[in-house]
Amino acid sequence: AQSVAQPEDQVNVAEGNPLTVKCTYSVSGNPYLFWYVQYPNRGLQFLLKYITGDNLVKGSYGFEAEFNKSQTSFHLKKPSALVSDSALYFCAVRDGGATNKLIFGTGTLLAVQP
Amino acid sequence: DAGVIQSPRHEVTEMGQEVTLRCKPISGHDYLFWYRQTMMRGLELLIYFNNNVPIDDSGMPEDRFSAKMPNASFSTLKIQPSEPRDSAVYFCASRRSQGSTDTQYFGPGTRLTVL
Repeated sequence: AQSVAQPEDQVNVAEGNPLTVKCTYSVSGNPYLFWYVQYPNRGLQFLLKYITGDNLVKGSYGFEAEFNKSQTSFHLKKPSALVSDSALYFCAVRDGGATNKLIFGTGTLLAVQP
Repeated sequence: DAGVIQSPRHEVTEMGQEVTLRCKPISGHDYLFWYRQTMMRGLELLIYFNNNVPIDDSGMPEDRFSAKMPNASFSTLKIQPSEPRDSAVYFCASRRSQGSTDTQYFGPGTRLTVL
């Protein structure tokens, strides 16, 4: 079965520093990978996705993610964190076969200190 | 586009009462998903529809939960009778199959509190 793991419940970073939110996946076949962000009292917002092609995917709000097949990872990155980036981040993988589910990780709370 | 619309945004009810949550997907989207989010269990897929037909309801916790999609622009999630453990935020999401790569768009959620 497809799955994703987010090993960190929380990531703390100072404003202006680079940030990384980790995600590893387990899939059979080619992975379809996603990152979503959830601000307090809001629904999830799509950030970026990897389907095929370039391993470095650029998304909204200056975020990017690097697909690494050998390490089965899809880490979310940003060169310079903003306080407004503080939110809950979810990694997701499309379930395989004929289904259309997204399997979400447990989420990582990003806290950016001023 | 207005995005996915959910109502109500907040619902407080007493145990044993019927609760109905509503969702309007993005126009032109033919997939609709219902999720539940709690601190303990994270984000869980309850059920999803394609072209108004339920495809997978394996995530529906028990018979007290039911979902319908009478037309392409409206879906309901009903809990009858409600219990305190149903307290959660319920999200609706939609996506388009044609030309799509599985990106789902989420509504703002309904925060349900069952007393």
